[in-house]
Amino acid sequence: ELKVEQNPLFLSMQEGKNYTIYCNYSTTSDRLYWYRQDPGKSLESLFVLLSNGAVKQEGRLMASLDTKARLSTLHITAAVHDLSATYFCAVDMRDNNDMRFGAGTRLTVKP
Amino acid sequence: EAGVAQSPRYKIIEKRQSVAFWCNPISGHATLYWYQQILGQGPKLLIQFQNNGVVDDSQLPKDRFSAERLKGVDSTLKIQPAKLEDSAVYLCASSLRGVGYTFGSGTRLTVV
Repeated sequence: ELKVEQNPLFLSMQEGKNYTIYCNYSTTSDRLYWYRQDPGKSLESLFVLLSNGAVKQEGRLMASLDTKARLSTLHITAAVHDLSATYFCAVDMRDNNDMRFGAGTRLTVKP
Repeated sequence: EAGVAQSPRYKIIEKRQSVAFWCNPISGHATLYWYQQILGQGPKLLIQFQNNGVVDDSQLPKDRFSAERLKGVDSTLKIQPAKLEDSAVYLCASSLRGVGYTFGSGTRLTVV
């Protein structure tokens, strides 16, 4: 069974600092997604990574995928308060196109 | 384009009652998913439809949960009878070809 593990589960950062969230998964997949969820809201798509070595950047967030290591990272550069949210990675099950989610990383950025 | 529509937004019921949720996916999206998100956890897939056929319902508690997508467009998810542990947000998502998923706003269910 596919397992998706994120770490850390909780992250408290100072504004202006950098940090990385890790997402490990247990089976072959070449599609990985990162989502953001604000409290009481639905999931907002951030990145779709479709191949080994894929790197995507949007503002202060950059995501990468290493399918051989079964690892994706979400790097935060110079964090700002507006980035406070829960971030989920999700891995596409290759056989039937459904997604399995990690437990989420709850990020708090403090002034 | 219009997003994934879900209703109701909130529902409070007593245990052992029944409840139904509705989802209308993005037009043309053949694949529809129902996820359960318990507070503090990641979403868990309950069922996946491709058009009006079930692709994966391995994690659906079939003794109390049922779902249908009769005409390959909108879908309903039903719980009967509800238990306290069913309190969660139920998210519907749709996808065109399994790449790129759009989520609805969800239905927050509280079972008391």
